[in-house]
Amino acid sequence: DQQVKQNSPSLSVQEGRISILNCDYTNSMFDYFLWYKKYPAEGPTFLISISSIKDKNEDGRFTVFLNKSAKHLSLHIVPSQPGDSAVYFCAASDNQAGTALIFGKGTTLSVSS
Amino acid sequence: DTAVSQTPKYLVTQMGNDKSIKCEQNLGHDTMYWYKQDSKKFLKIMFSYNNKELIINETVPNRFSPKSPDKAHLNLHINSLELGDSAVYFCASSLTVGPAGVIPSYEQYFGPGTRLTVT
Repeated sequence: DQQVKQNSPSLSVQEGRISILNCDYTNSMFDYFLWYKKYPAEGPTFLISISSIKDKNEDGRFTVFLNKSAKHLSLHIVPSQPGDSAVYFCAASDNQAGTALIFGKGTTLSVSS
Repeated sequence: DTAVSQTPKYLVTQMGNDKSIKCEQNLGHDTMYWYKQDSKKFLKIMFSYNNKELIINETVPNRFSPKSPDKAHLNLHINSLELGDSAVYFCASSLTVGPAGVIPSYEQYFGPGTRLTVT
């Protein structure tokens, strides 16, 4: 049973447009959510996170939105750039710092110029 | 100035062999993890160590044995390798206890991965 779901395996966007990646979770104990970016043959790189006490967190071109009632979060990238092409993983934590991250299966984003 | 490093990056071996993967972090973190990414691309926790003490041990065959000689290192030894062990193994680290007045974060920093192929 997947506790973190990324239902879109892939997303294609044109350069300069907005990319929206979605993530759903089932465990109401999750209180911290993270997005990681992964290039081929590299490890996941931390991108942005959000605590369950917030509904939005912004860092440059990246914004994460959290809808706790819907158990849904999304990552917005504006404007999208070709270098953003990668696999994006949503992850969640149900405890204090130091616990395992529960990952979704990932969404492959392709940004064309 | 690599933050989390793993060796080797690629490992090809035969069934039945014993192999080790090494991980080192120079971030001053106190917690280290091993994750496995299988053929379905799911990243799943295997183990975590805090200050050399095992705190998470998921349902992993006891052929897998983590060893943490110090806070900066977490090695993974695998005995009697099986075909199903083929995967990419990622080491990660995080800080759970910060200096006084500093709230630690949940972010984990990952190594580049070790692709293990068992033939």
